[in-house]
Amino acid sequence: GAVVSQHPSRVICKSGTSVKIECRSLDFQATTMFWYRQFPKQSLMLMATSNEGSKATYEQGVEKDKFLINHASLTLSTLTVTSAHPEDSSFYICSAETGVSYNEQFFGPGTRLTVL
Amino acid sequence: AQSVTQLGSHVSVSEGALVLLRCNYSSSVPPYLFWYVQYPNQGLQLLLKYTTGATLVKGINGFEAEFKKSETSFHLTKPSAHMSDAAEYFCAVRETGGGNKLTFGTGTQLKVEL
Repeated sequence: GAVVSQHPSRVICKSGTSVKIECRSLDFQATTMFWYRQFPKQSLMLMATSNEGSKATYEQGVEKDKFLINHASLTLSTLTVTSAHPEDSSFYICSAETGVSYNEQFFGPGTRLTVL
Repeated sequence: AQSVTQLGSHVSVSEGALVLLRCNYSSSVPPYLFWYVQYPNQGLQLLLKYTTGATLVKGINGFEAEFKKSETSFHLTKPSAHMSDAAEYFCAVRETGGGNKLTFGTGTQLKVEL
């Protein structure tokens, strides 16, 4: 149980285009999902917290107009990187909370974004 | 604000040797503590967690960690390393009593040699 999927696993796009990444909780309902960014050889940095039916809460320094987050249902959150640039190339990982006791986060397999 | 320090960005051990990955945290309140493992180009997998109760917690793949409040530490150990243990390991902390953000350490790359 508690499986989180991400799609696509890998995407290459041209500079200036927008890319959408999906995060799904497959066997549980997630009231809260999180989006992280991981640069090579570095730790995960939280970008935003996404709650179903409400606006995402962004961490300091993260541009909300560039990284659009939508959490339309209890099993799906999307991250759209708008007008992508090469510096947006990174590994994006989502996680979802089960809402049980200490609210353990389950992580998706990640999406490798490369912007040419 | 809470923070996590992982001493040693790279640790190398021989197969069959003890694995010790260090994690220290700072938090204004007793936290929940986690160890995650990440294989190349994959997401994070939970190894073990401490929330309440017994301070020595056992996880998957033979790993265990001990919460030592006096030392603000949560070091990860495994008695005998296996080649398949080679991966990146992250310690994370989350405050109890509200809030659900995880704060991660910078990670430790474990290399297992023959």
